[in-house]
Amino acid sequence: DSGVTQTPKHLITATGQRVTLRCSPRSGDLSVYWYQQSLDQGLQFLIQYYNGEERAKGNILERFSAQQFPDLHSELNLSSLELGDSALYFCASSAPGTAFYGYTFGSGTRLTVV
Amino acid sequence: AQSVTQLDSQVPVFEEAPVELRCNYSSSVSVYLFWYVQYPNQGLQLLLKYLSGSTLVKGINGFEAEFNKSQTSFHLRKPSVHISDTAEYFCAVMGQGGSEKLVFGKGTKLTVNP
Repeated sequence: DSGVTQTPKHLITATGQRVTLRCSPRSGDLSVYWYQQSLDQGLQFLIQYYNGEERAKGNILERFSAQQFPDLHSELNLSSLELGDSALYFCASSAPGTAFYGYTFGSGTRLTVV
Repeated sequence: AQSVTQLDSQVPVFEEAPVELRCNYSSSVSVYLFWYVQYPNQGLQLLLKYLSGSTLVKGINGFEAEFNKSQTSFHLRKPSVHISDTAEYFCAVMGQGGSEKLVFGKGTKLTVNP
């Protein structure tokens, strides 16, 4: 157990639908990072939050949004889902000033869009 | 911006043989370098990292990597692999002094055969 909790582990939904993925960081970590892992694109950085504020944005589609709440858990919202959104979505966290030591990753949410 | 190239998408080896997984990176600034391992149906686990100092870094499970600045490489090695080392290995880079974003390579699937 890495200490980063992601729910649900698996999600199957239809095209056009909206889903919410949840991440609870390790205790003491203020930064949350979201990554998408697909066979063709590999691991792509989506977005980073630090203590409730957006800090960095990557290749995140406009249909996707995220937020970090006061208790530091984060949610990634995916809407108007397409078949190509099927992927593993990872959350990771790091403590202040320690990102360069490497993040701690959760076990991921596997999203299947049918 | 940074980029990572993992030269081999798949590497099959026999048990107890040595292995080298190759990684080259590109960056306009100094970098931190990482290797992560992903076992089937699991998240990413940090194997080792290079921050500064000695160019040879040792990690968990008997793995080591050597940073070569002139060749912009960070190859991962193990002198004798086990069946349990079968997994996907990802090289990653983070630029120093800027974004905390980790940029990953496409991964190398290591298969250890008996």
